[in-house]
Amino acid sequence: DVKVTQSSRYLVKRTGEKVFLECVQDMDHENMFWYRQDPGLGLRLIYFSYDVKMKEKGDIPEGYSVSREKKERFSLILESASTNQTSMYLCASSPPRGYGYTFGSGTRLTVV
Amino acid sequence: GENVEQHPSTLSVQEGDSAVIKCTYSDSASNYFPWYKQELGKRPQLIIDIRSNVGEKKDQRIAVTLNKTAKHFSLHITETQPEDSAVYFCAASKGTDKLIFGTGTRLQVFP
Repeated sequence: DVKVTQSSRYLVKRTGEKVFLECVQDMDHENMFWYRQDPGLGLRLIYFSYDVKMKEKGDIPEGYSVSREKKERFSLILESASTNQTSMYLCASSPPRGYGYTFGSGTRLTVV
Repeated sequence: GENVEQHPSTLSVQEGDSAVIKCTYSDSASNYFPWYKQELGKRPQLIIDIRSNVGEKKDQRIAVTLNKTAKHFSLHITETQPEDSAVYFCAASKGTDKLIFGTGTRLQVFP
């Protein structure tokens, strides 16, 4: 059973802080994704990666960056957190020629 | 890029009734359409999916239909039960490419 683990379930950060959200998967998946979930807006794609060291912008990359130094780990970075980045962040992974994602449990980030 | 619209945003049904959620997509090259269920406080989980080479797929009480010409697909839940209460998301992609999600439907099933 694929496991996708997000390091924090809840985070509270101050405006201007640099924030790291970590995601680790244990099934050797090439593809990893970061989404944010907001009521009425669904899941919006921030960044994704199809391989180590590779990253591509999704639909809402502004204010975010990512790091994929190892295959199993995909980090989302908020360079300078702002209140409008308060949200639920979901990480997901999938195999290279497989259909469907496995999601992590999510990190609820509050920026004050 | 792909855009997925989902309706309705909320849906309330009596236990035992059917529920239908509809999605439309914009990119005619999309060929994979999964549905995810997210219970309160939990992660989204894949419940059923369909590829563009079939028009309908069924798994017990849930079914998905696809109309490629009209670019829309629907989730049908029959004989609804209180445990079906959740948020449901449709999504679309080209093959195994990234998924683009709809805005979600909150389904409430009243006993």
